[in-house]
Amino acid sequence: DVKVTQSSRYLVKRTGEKVFLECVQDMDHENMFWYRQDPGLGLRLIYFSYDVKMKEKGDIPEGYSVSREKKERFSLILESASTNQTSMYLCASNRQGAVGYGYTFGSGTRLTVV
Amino acid sequence: AQKVTQAQTEISVVEKEDVTLDCVYETRDTTYYLFWYKQPPSGELVFLIRRNSFDEQNEISGRYSWNFQKSTSSFNFTITASQVVDSAVYFCALSVTNAGNMLTFGGGTRLMVKP
Repeated sequence: DVKVTQSSRYLVKRTGEKVFLECVQDMDHENMFWYRQDPGLGLRLIYFSYDVKMKEKGDIPEGYSVSREKKERFSLILESASTNQTSMYLCASNRQGAVGYGYTFGSGTRLTVV
Repeated sequence: AQKVTQAQTEISVVEKEDVTLDCVYETRDTTYYLFWYKQPPSGELVFLIRRNSFDEQNEISGRYSWNFQKSTSSFNFTITASQVVDSAVYFCALSVTNAGNMLTFGGGTRLMVKP
């Protein structure tokens, strides 16, 4: 069964901490995405990557950075966590050129910043 | 830029009722894809359907049906004879060919089906 795995289901961090959210996919997909989900706002794209070491800003990149050192792993980094980054974070992947096909999502990480 | 609007934030129905979830989209691209996803309490997004912009044929899958109308930029989702297991948040999404494969989501509709 193909998978996108997010390392933590729930996470509680303190304001100012550096936070790493990890995402691993086993489908050899080129594209990987990080979304943030908030009630009423749906999912908003933070960053995406279409290849190793490549990254593009999404709609709401402020306060976040990403790292893609290996094809299967895409990390979201909160350099200095703030309470307004309390949210559900979802990772997804799909194959390069497969517009409209095969998006696979992880189960999400619910992050609380206190 | 793309935009997806789901005007209904929350809907509550009684089991066996039919319910329609609305989705309106905006894009200047002529080639695009529309999606519906279900998010149960477990959190994972479950793919329901994908339509491309050149195929306006409506689709039925069991109790689910979708009505795609380019003239009104709408892609509505109907559940017939709803069941408690249909309770979830439903997202409509849009993808265009020249926007890097990302999905643009609507705000979601929370559907509660009461026994």
